Amino acid sequence: DQQVKQNSPSLSVQEGRISILNCDYTNSMFDYFLWYKKYPAEGPTFLISISSIKDKNEDGRFTVFLNKSAKHLSLHIVPSQPGDSAVYFCAARGNNAGNMLTFGGGTRLMVKP
Amino acid sequence: DTEVTQTPKHLVMGMTNKKSLKCEQHMGHRAMYWYKQKAKKPPELMFVYSYEKLSINESVPSRFSPECPNSSLLNLHLHALQPEDSALYLCASSQSSGTSGGKQYFGPGTRLTVT
Repeated sequence: DQQVKQNSPSLSVQEGRISILNCDYTNSMFDYFLWYKKYPAEGPTFLISISSIKDKNEDGRFTVFLNKSAKHLSLHIVPSQPGDSAVYFCAARGNNAGNMLTFGGGTRLMVKP
Repeated sequence: DTEVTQTPKHLVMGMTNKKSLKCEQHMGHRAMYWYKQKAKKPPELMFVYSYEKLSINESVPSRFSPECPNSSLLNLHLHALQPEDSALYLCASSQSSGTSGGKQYFGPGTRLTVT
């Protein structure tokens, strides 16, 4: 049973426009949600996170929104740049021991010049 | 320094070989992790070490043997692997497990091919 899902395997956006990546989860016990960016042949790089007690967190061009009632979060990238082209993973942390992350399947973002 | 290093970058091994993957961090993190990632799939957790002790083993076959010699180093010993074990093996670290809001720092990975 996938507890974290990213239903869009890919997304194509024009440079300068907004990119919106979505993530759904089923476990209401998750206490932190994170977004990681991954380029080919590299490890995932932390992008931004949000605590389950907040509904928005912003860092420069990146904003994460959390809707707990819908068990849904989204990552907004504005404006999108060609260098943002990568695979984006949504991850969630259970509030148990071990700081374990559960990852979604990833969304490949392509930003066209 | 927010870097996690992994060696080797690439490894090709036969099914009867014994090899080791190495991971190192100097951020003072006390939790370290091994993940396995297959193509077009998310990382899957294998092991978690907390304060140099194995705290989580996600039912990984015994042909994978982790070791944490000290707080900066994490090894993964490989023996009698199968071709389906070919994958990208990622190491990560974080402040002591349970803190840091889940944020883990990942290394670049070792691309393992089992022939």
